[in-house]
Formats: sequence, structure tokens, C-alpha cells
Amino acid sequence: GGIITQTPKFLIGQEGQKLTLKCQQNFNHDTMYWYRQDSGKGLRLIYYSITENDLQKGDLSEGYDASREKKSSFSLTVTSAQKNEMAVFLCASKTGGEQYFGPGTRLTVL
Amino acid sequence: GDSVTQKEGLVTLTEGLPVMLNCTYQTIYSNAFLFWYVHYLNESPRLLLKSSTDNKRTEHQGFHATLHKSSSSFHLQKSSAQLSDSALYYCALSDLYGSSGNKLIFGIGTLLSVKP
Repeated sequence: GGIITQTPKFLIGQEGQKLTLKCQQNFNHDTMYWYRQDSGKGLRLIYYSITENDLQKGDLSEGYDASREKKSSFSLTVTSAQKNEMAVFLCASKTGGEQYFGPGTRLTVL
Repeated sequence: GDSVTQKEGLVTLTEGLPVMLNCTYQTIYSNAFLFWYVHYLNESPRLLLKSSTDNKRTEHQGFHATLHKSSSSFHLQKSSAQLSDSALYYCALSDLYGSSGNKLIFGIGTLLSVKP
């Protein structure tokens, strides 16, 4: 079986700071995703990528950049962290109809 | 646009009682797939059930759901709740074979809390 790892597990930033979250998968899946999880708002898609060097915007892409330089990795950058922001960012990859999720990165902005 | 509605944000049950988590959807997809994902605390979300077949019951780990295209519903059920079922449950929609087949549309999630 495969695994998705996300680093870091916890991320504390300052207002205005650029922050980068990383995701690695060894499933050899083509498509990867970044979601933001907020209580009461579900999982909202930020970016996804259907292959290396491809990037597709989701509904929540404003304020974020993404990078897919290798098939196995997908990075997300918060371009300017917002004060008091707290959220969990989930990475996923897909095969057939199923998405496999990583354990998440919990972001806190002071 | 396409959407998934989970009306209950929180469902609190006593152990042993039946579970029913509601999910309805709106879509233009002719070949819609519906999914239930479960997210236990300190774990990764994972697939619980999926279906694209109208009126066919699908089961996994004691849970079941039936896709009813006539009512655009895919409710999750279990006959008897266990403490270990406490988790966040997401209903999701995809057009697996269409142009949007790479995306899942998630509902807001229902937190199921099972008490002794």
C-alpha cells in the first residue's frame, strides 16, 4: 500500500508571512489535491494537479500558490498569512474514483 | 451549480440507536458518483462508501447507503451506533467520467457524536 505524508504537521506563522506546506505520495497517482478544512464549511478545494507541472485552481485559490514539480510531490504556499487564521490543510491523491488523504497540516497564524 | 447538502452539522446519539445522516445533492452530471468519507480524530479522511447505481444499496463496515436519483439523495445509515463511530462524515459528489471527473464536491460535513 501507499502513503501520503504532509509536512509540517503543525505550522505557526505570523501575519503577512509566506508559508509553504508540502505533500508527498508514493501511490504513483497522477492527480493530487489541496483542500482547506474549516469547521462548518466542509472541505474546500484550493488547487489540484492532474500531472507533473500541471496546476488547476479550485474554488478557494485566492491567496494561495501551488507547485507540482514532481509526480510524487505537491506543495502549497500561503502567500500572505492572515492574522488569527486557523485551519487544517489536507492533501489528497486520486486513483479511479477514490481520493486518498494525508494526515493534514494544522495552521495557526498569530 | 453543483452542490451537496448535509443539513445536520452535529448529530448526537446514544449507543445502540440507529444512525441516519442526510445527504442530498444537485447536479447536471448524468453519471454522478456519490461518496461518503469518514474522518476520525487524529486520522486521515478515508472513503467509507460510494455508488453511482440508482436504487442499489451499498454497504461497508456496518454502514449502508442507497443512491436515489429521483430524490437526489444518498443518506448514510447504520442499524446500531457504536462509540467508535464518533467522527466527521462528509458526503461528496463527482462526475467520474466527465470533464469535471477529477473534482469532488463536498458537503459541509456532519459530526456524529455517540454517547454511552
